Amino acid sequence: GIQVEQSPPDLILQEGANSTLRCNFSDSVNNLQWFHQNPWGQLINLFYIPSGTKQNGRLSATTVATERYSLLYISSSQTTDSGVYFCAVPFNQAGTALIFGKGTTLSVSS
Amino acid sequence: GAVVSQHPSRVICKSGTSVKIECRSLDFQATTMFWYRQFPKQSLMLMATSNEGSKATYEQGVEKDKFLINHASLTLSTLTVTSAHPEDSSFYICSAQRGGGNTEAFFGQGTRLTVV
Repeated sequence: GIQVEQSPPDLILQEGANSTLRCNFSDSVNNLQWFHQNPWGQLINLFYIPSGTKQNGRLSATTVATERYSLLYISSSQTTDSGVYFCAVPFNQAGTALIFGKGTTLSVSS
Repeated sequence: GAVVSQHPSRVICKSGTSVKIECRSLDFQATTMFWYRQFPKQSLMLMATSNEGSKATYEQGVEKDKFLINHASLTLSTLTVTSAHPEDSSFYICSAQRGGGNTEAFFGQGTRLTVV
């Protein structure tokens, strides 16, 4: 089955710093999502990004489907950005259930 | 955006009892919903696919007699953990997609189950 790898596994930043999180996947996909899991466990949708680049405030994401990777950029990080960031792709071409990477745990200190 | 609501958010139960978790799509109909499980410090793993009006599909290693899934309407799926054991303690979370396959998935708030 398809494999999803995220890097780095852990990231520690000072408030105001920028960061790039990476997601590699082993097979072609029709969509990709980025999530932020907050301390209470809730998954917050960040981006639905099968290809191209999207921006939402201080966050942006780029997916290069032909090269099987996606990047999540966080600029001017804030303490509230702390948590775990997951990328996920569909199990199969039907695009239903998702397979998740192991996540990047981000800690932002003031 | 689409909203998926899950209840309860937290439950503590005794070993041997059963616990029911509800997952509702609030502003759209979902013929398919998904149940995931997340152990501490780990990623989310798909447990089963809930299909409205038919039997659920379980992933390898997930006991269908322990994790009963009922998808009785287009907006509600339930997961019942039967004869709960301490090793069933975990974070359970559901998802649904408004437009079917290859559309954006939305997740419920999750349920933290502790079996004592």
